[in-house]
Parts: sequence; C-alpha cells; structure tokens
Amino acid sequence: DAKTTQPPSMDCAEGRAANLPCNHSTISGNEYVYWYRQIHSQGPQYIIHGLKNNETNEMASLIITEDRKSSTLILPHATLRDTAVYYCIVNQAGTALIFGKGTTLSVSS
Amino acid sequence: SAVISQKPSRDICQRGTSLTIQCQVDSQVTMMFWYRQQPGQSLTLIATANQGSEATYESGFVIDKFPISRPNLTFSTLTVSNMSPEDSSIYLCSVVVLASGELFFGEGSRLTVL
Repeated sequence: DAKTTQPPSMDCAEGRAANLPCNHSTISGNEYVYWYRQIHSQGPQYIIHGLKNNETNEMASLIITEDRKSSTLILPHATLRDTAVYYCIVNQAGTALIFGKGTTLSVSS
Repeated sequence: SAVISQKPSRDICQRGTSLTIQCQVDSQVTMMFWYRQQPGQSLTLIATANQGSEATYESGFVIDKFPISRPNLTFSTLTVSNMSPEDSSIYLCSVVVLASGELFFGEGSRLTVL
C-alpha cells in the first residue's frame, strides 16, 4: 500500500505557483521522497526527489519538513502543460515505486 | 536519463489470445519492473524482471498469466496470456538507471481486449 496521503485534486491559475502537499508520517530513515507526474496517456515522468534537504531543479522545488513527515512540491510558474496527476512516493532508492492515487492538478488560464 | 522503447505502443486483441510486450533500454540499468494501469486507476506493480532467473511477482499476479523474461540487462518482455476484457490496460516498463539510480518509465503499451 502507498505510504503517502495527497489531496485528490487541486486547481491553479496559469502563471501562479502550484504547491502540492504530501503527508508521509511513517517514512523510514532510509526512504526518499519522490515526485512523478503523469500527463494523460503518457508514462509517468520523474520530477524530483530528496532525502532530508530541500531540492530544486529546472522543473520544481521540493520542500521537506524537518521531521520528514510531510513535503511540498512547488511548481513556481504553472502552465497549462503542467495539468497532470502528481504522485508523491516514499521509497528506498533503486526499488520499485508503489503508487497511490495522486493529486490531479488542473491549471487554467 | 534513459530512453525506454516499448512495443507495441497499442494493440487490439481478441479474447483468449496472448500478447507479448517488449521493453528495450538504451543505457545500463540495474532493475526492471512491469506495471499495469487499468482505466482511470493508478499504477500497480506486476513484477520485478530478474536477469537470467524467474521474475518476482507481486500479490495478485502469477507467472502463468504474466510470464516475464529478461535475457540481458537492457531487454525484457511481458506476455499477457489468455486475455479477457479485464486485461484491457496500459502496461508500463520501468527501469532504474545504473548511473543515477533514478527510476524512469516507458510510454506504455495500451492493450484493448475485445
């Protein structure tokens, strides 16, 4: 079973920041927080992952709380192409990912 | 990253037949996995494809229904046997890239069983 809890859906205006929350209160010390997204009819796309520290790449930022029990994925300037299902997954590195239901993000103009 | 090629990308099959899906990766990988995504649902892990040995199946999936091969590090096949309409799904291959340890997905094979 998935070890994360995400809101089923969120809306965001184009050009604004999208902040997607994720709760993972039972995360273990050697488990990473991964974020993937799936745009309709495509394979899941890797976004970002982290262990303890906040991470940033060209797509997004990942903010992990100090106790590691929750995290937030930030898309700084959402566009219509960011409309997708976003999955937050906690997992040991190099192992199969167990997907929950994710958050459906709808970006509108 | 890795380029993962899945074939076929989609197919329409008759009940009772079998279909083999191929997954080819262009870089060195450690782990390979097969997932199923039923209509409107999230992804479900079917099995881990082990090189040179039998795949490791998740609960609810059996080798007779979903035989898997992995003859080398960069290639694997998944067969969906004796298909029924309930097998209509997207089947996805995923790999852990040796260089980065990150997990990537193919674009999936969309299977419709009539």
